[in-house]
This record gives sequence, structure tokens and C-alpha cells, in this order.
Amino acid sequence: GENVEQHPSTLSVQEGDSAVIKCTYSDSASNYFPWYKQELGKGPQLIIDIRSNVGEKKDQRIAVTLNKTAKHFSLHITETQPEDSAVYFCAAPNYGGSQGNLIFGKGTKLSVKP
Amino acid sequence: DSGVTQTPKHLITATGQRVTLRCSPRSGDLSVYWYQQSLDQGLQFLIQYYNGEERAKGNILERFSAQQFPDLHSELNLSSLELGDSALYFCASSVGGSGSLETQYFGPGTRLLVL
Repeated sequence: GENVEQHPSTLSVQEGDSAVIKCTYSDSASNYFPWYKQELGKGPQLIIDIRSNVGEKKDQRIAVTLNKTAKHFSLHITETQPEDSAVYFCAAPNYGGSQGNLIFGKGTKLSVKP
Repeated sequence: DSGVTQTPKHLITATGQRVTLRCSPRSGDLSVYWYQQSLDQGLQFLIQYYNGEERAKGNILERFSAQQFPDLHSELNLSSLELGDSALYFCASSVGGSGSLETQYFGPGTRLLVL
């Protein structure tokens, strides 16, 4: 089955700086990579996703890049703001099951200091 | 607000007891997924139902079971509870049955504490 590694586990940045979170996956057949943001006391919320037919996708201050050869994908947040502070999870498909499901990374706790 | 609702928000019970967690998916979504989130294990997929039928199974213990009803709401039953079952339980939903390829929308979760 799929294995997803996420780094770093914690990340602290100054407001206005950029933050980068990286994930690697093991199954070369994986073709859908979502990123979720989880704020304290809430459920994970999708912030951006990318499919394997593109190498990069942007949505305002958030971007995701995908390197299929190296089997890794990254979340980039520019001009960070205090409200970006949360735990971020990457995920990849697990085709080991009957229909597949998502395997999540362990999460990155991002702290943005004002 | 994702549109997925879960009840109750908090649950405190004792070891050996049985509890039921409830989830209502977003309007129009046919799939419901259950996840367990603990500090050391992260988000672990338990089980998926699609239009009333079990679709995929993850690391779900035999003491746990789930079902999806004709109105598409789902219940997760946890029995013979142990201290280690204390965790956040999330429900997610999606439009179709391919959980690995489509957006899953998460509910606010149920925090279970087993004493």
C-alpha cells in the first residue's frame, strides 16, 4: 500500500515569510494529492489539491508542486499571516483497498509569529 | 462549514462500554468515510460506505462497526471500549465512491474520552 512521509513536523515562521511543507509518496500509480488544513478544534478542510497531469497549481497565496519522477509534492504558502497557523496534512491515494482511500501524512504544525 | 454534521461533539464514557457516533453527509454526497485521529497515529482511515454499502475498509478494529442508512446518514458503533480508543473521530463525505480521487469534506468531529 501507499506510504506518505511529511516534513517537517513543526514549522515556525515570521509573518510575511514563506512556508514550505514537503511530502513523499511510494506508489508511482498515485495521481491525486490533496492538502488539508486543520485548525484547533475543527475538522480538516481541503485547501488545494493537484492531479498528476500538472506540475503546479496556485490559488492566491497557496501553491502546490508535484514531482512525479521523485515522487514528492510540496505545499508553498507565501506572505504568511497569523491565521495560517494550523496543522497541515498532505494525502495520497491508497490503491491497496477495494476502491482506494486517502493515506494522510502525520501533519505539520505551522506557527506564524506576528 | 463543510456541510457535514457529526453528533455528539464530545463523549465521555467508561471502559467496556458501547457508544454510537452519528454523521450526516453533505447534501448530494453518497459516500461517507470514518477516520480516527490520535496524537501518535495521525488520521487513520477506518471505513467507507457508498450509497448504503461498504466500499472500502481500513484499519478498523473488530470491536468497531458502521453502517449507512437509506437517508445516507451513517453511524459508527464502538464497543468494548478501551482507554486507547480515546481519540477524535471524523466523518467525511464525497459525491462519488472513489475516495482516493475526489474531494472529501470533513465534519467537525466527535471527541471520545474513555475513562
